[in-house]
Amino acid sequence: DTEVTQTPKHLVMGMTNKKSLKCEQHMGHRAMYWYKQKAKKPPELMFVYSYEKLSINESVPSRFSPECPNSSLLNLHLHALQPEDSALYLCASSQLMAGRTEAFFGQGTRLTVV
Amino acid sequence: AQTVTQSQPEMSVQEAETVTLSCTYDTSESNYYLFWYKQPPSRQMILVIRQEAYKQQNATENRFSVNFQKAAKSFSLKISDSQLGDTAMYFCAFVSGGSNYKLTFGKGTLLTVNP
Repeated sequence: DTEVTQTPKHLVMGMTNKKSLKCEQHMGHRAMYWYKQKAKKPPELMFVYSYEKLSINESVPSRFSPECPNSSLLNLHLHALQPEDSALYLCASSQLMAGRTEAFFGQGTRLTVV
Repeated sequence: AQTVTQSQPEMSVQEAETVTLSCTYDTSESNYYLFWYKQPPSRQMILVIRQEAYKQQNATENRFSVNFQKAAKSFSLKISDSQLGDTAMYFCAFVSGGSNYKLTFGKGTLLTVNP
């Protein structure tokens, strides 16, 4: 099973709403990632969790709040977003093992902020 | 800091033909990994092929193969017998072999396979 599952697939939210994106993997990977991707651009790293601890925050605004409840789950809590935050949000996971660094991605959540 | 450069924003190829996508990178590290990811219109990022920097042998996965030139810091992807389903954005990516598992992506090449 090399699957990373993200829900929801599509989300439309107002600037005053609070919503959450969810990500789940059952590959035993101990690193999980959130990426933001704009159209026709490469993914941009937002956060990295390793062993359920936040290890990298790429200076992401506080209106994005990540959470890693356990080794299989990763959430991204959204609050007071701006229209420019509309994008595809990708979750990924990988092993924390030398020689096995490839990341596996979910299908993403297409977020529209209105 | 590492950089990854894909100099071909768009390419097209006829079905059943062979196409090569270019990628160059810059790093001062000796231990690293290189990847090609494919992102079709369905938008899921799919790993196509990986290469360990310490391995001289070029990686192959069915119709996909790489030409890894470590001294030149070049990592091109060859797709043989192109199929319509190969139409996608292709991203070259780099990751350090150290404790930082952050992927550095190139800007991508949009490949269209024509019937």
